[in-house]
Amino acid sequence: DQQVKQNSPSLSVQEGRISILNCDYTNSMFDYFLWYKKYPAEGPTFLISISSIKDKNEDGRFTVFLNKSAKHLSLHIVPSQPGDSAVYFCAAFRRQLTFGSGTQLTVLP
Amino acid sequence: NAGVTQTPKFQVLKTGQSMTLQCAQDMNHNSMYWYRQDPGMGLRLIYYSASEGTTDKGEVPNGYNVSRLNKREFSLRLESAAPSQTSVYFCASSEARTQPQHFGDGTRLSIL
Repeated sequence: DQQVKQNSPSLSVQEGRISILNCDYTNSMFDYFLWYKKYPAEGPTFLISISSIKDKNEDGRFTVFLNKSAKHLSLHIVPSQPGDSAVYFCAAFRRQLTFGSGTQLTVLP
Repeated sequence: NAGVTQTPKFQVLKTGQSMTLQCAQDMNHNSMYWYRQDPGMGLRLIYYSASEGTTDKGEVPNGYNVSRLNKREFSLRLESAAPSQTSVYFCASSEARTQPQHFGDGTRLSIL
């Protein structure tokens, strides 16, 4: 029973355009949500987070949106750069982190 | 600027062999974690240690044991390795359980 789902295994975007990565969850008790980025042969690195009491958080080119009624989370990257090509994991926290299965983002030059 | 260091990076075992994966962090973090990542799946928590001297089971603890040796080090032991334990293992640490976790680069473990 996957509590955190990333339904798109992959996404390709042109350099300079917006990348939108989506995540759905089933447990309404999650306290906060995070996005991690992972390059091959490296561990995940923390990107941005959002508390369940907020609906938006921005950090430079990265914005996370939370829609609690829809149990939906999205990460917007604007503008996308080739160095953003990586696997992106969303994760949700309540007592422990639960990860989605990841989306491979490819930014085409 | 080491962060979280995992050893070894790669290992091949035979079914039934035992092995300990080592993890050390230099950020003075209180909490440490062990995850496994399998193809097409997210990271799943095996065990965690909220603070020095405590350990708790995560989502998939069967077949594993852990030791929080001191504040810096958290090891994961496979007593009798099985092919189903073939995976990439990540260690992580955080200042507190509610803070973002910092990950090591993983140990790629194959069990034949």
